[in-house]
Amino acid sequence: GQNIDQPTEMTATEGAIVQINCTYQTSGFNGLFWYQQHAGEAPTFLSYNVLDGLEEKGRFSSFLSRSKGYSYLLLKELQMKDSASYLCAVTGYSSASKIIFGSGTRLSIRP
Amino acid sequence: KAGVTQTPRYLIKTRGQQVTLSCSPISGHRSVSWYQQTPGQGLQFLFEYFSETQRNKGNFPGRFSGRQFSNSRSEMNVSTLELGDSALYLCASSPSRNAGDTIYFGEGSWLTVV
Repeated sequence: GQNIDQPTEMTATEGAIVQINCTYQTSGFNGLFWYQQHAGEAPTFLSYNVLDGLEEKGRFSSFLSRSKGYSYLLLKELQMKDSASYLCAVTGYSSASKIIFGSGTRLSIRP
Repeated sequence: KAGVTQTPRYLIKTRGQQVTLSCSPISGHRSVSWYQQTPGQGLQFLFEYFSETQRNKGNFPGRFSGRQFSNSRSEMNVSTLELGDSALYLCASSPSRNAGDTIYFGEGSWLTVV
């Protein structure tokens, strides 16, 4: 079956660092996406990990461990505009759909 | 280049009616997927179209259907609307059917069923 778990809500302080975790169990796995979605808007692409390790892209980094079925998204130097939902999604050759999404983590940034 | 375009953006329908939503993918993208997003259920996969053929289908009743045209534009239809169909319907496009393709979302169509 397909199962993706991530925390429902998180709160962090402006200027700080936050790590959003995602664990997955899928019948097939190719890679893992992170998307950002502001309230009332469409999800936008943040990162895609296929190989184990950390990929850094500006203030955002994403980590993947295929053996552990685990990923995290790291946000540094948090800004108020980072308040959004962060969606973890996996792709697998044998999944019924191209991408399976987690329920998302709603991140609130406080001043 | 233009992003994924969905129309209409907002609409209100009555129970029992039917609705058609339209999606124009990014130019050159041939795969179009549809998702339903509700506060309680998150993003739920509806179906995927490629080369005018439905390739995958999610766990939704037959009231939900779709099609894709030769120019890759896609439509989805929901018949006999129910209150629970109120949701944001998102269309996403990608260049091909490769598992690693990034999918790009449109702004969505907000459907309210009263």
